[in-house]
Amino acid sequence: DAGVTQSPTHLIKTRGQQVTLRCSPISGHKSVSWYQQVLGQGPQFIFQYYEKEERGRGNFPDRFSARQFPNYSSELNVNALLLGDSALYLCASSLLSGTGDGYTFGSGTRLTVV
Amino acid sequence: KQEVTQIPAALSVPEGENLVLNCSFTDSAIYNLQWFRQDPGKGLTSLLLIQSSQREQTSGRLNASLDKSSGRSTLYIAASQPGDSATYLCAALSGGSYIPTFGRGTSLIVHP
Repeated sequence: DAGVTQSPTHLIKTRGQQVTLRCSPISGHKSVSWYQQVLGQGPQFIFQYYEKEERGRGNFPDRFSARQFPNYSSELNVNALLLGDSALYLCASSLLSGTGDGYTFGSGTRLTVV
Repeated sequence: KQEVTQIPAALSVPEGENLVLNCSFTDSAIYNLQWFRQDPGKGLTSLLLIQSSQREQTSGRLNASLDKSSGRSTLYIAASQPGDSATYLCAALSGGSYIPTFGRGTSLIVHP
């Protein structure tokens, strides 16, 4: 079975541009979460979607948005990129059938804003 | 609001040593606690998941314990190897939320 897949793996963008990151969860997982990780820090929660509805949103500006599709894949969009948006963006999927389920992470997308 | 702290931030040990990584959390009403490994520039690999009703979980040379009452979890690595060098992160899934809160991680170097 394929794990959580993220694309692209690396991305370089210019300040002010927009970017779209993609994530495909493990087959059968209905929840997708997005995290931002800057060097030396733990992952910071951005969004969680379950059954195509937003279940949670972290403390990020409105420039960040996301959605989940009927096949449970997800996109994270960031508008008006800033240098400070440079980070590793991680996607995680979970069954969320109950509170005992763990999270499985993808390999991440490394975004560099210049 | 759940806060997760990991101590130490960095650790360097010679090969063969047994070691303990610490994770503390402020809200003891957690559903589960998960330990991850992260290699430089890579994603997170799940190591162990401990449910709130469990006291410990074991996988090979790894053993994780959970003490909800004191808000602590430890990851024990036996007979460390250079291949264990990585950053280790813990994440607590709190009551009322399905969103794990992460610590900053412990950066481990095992030298030959």
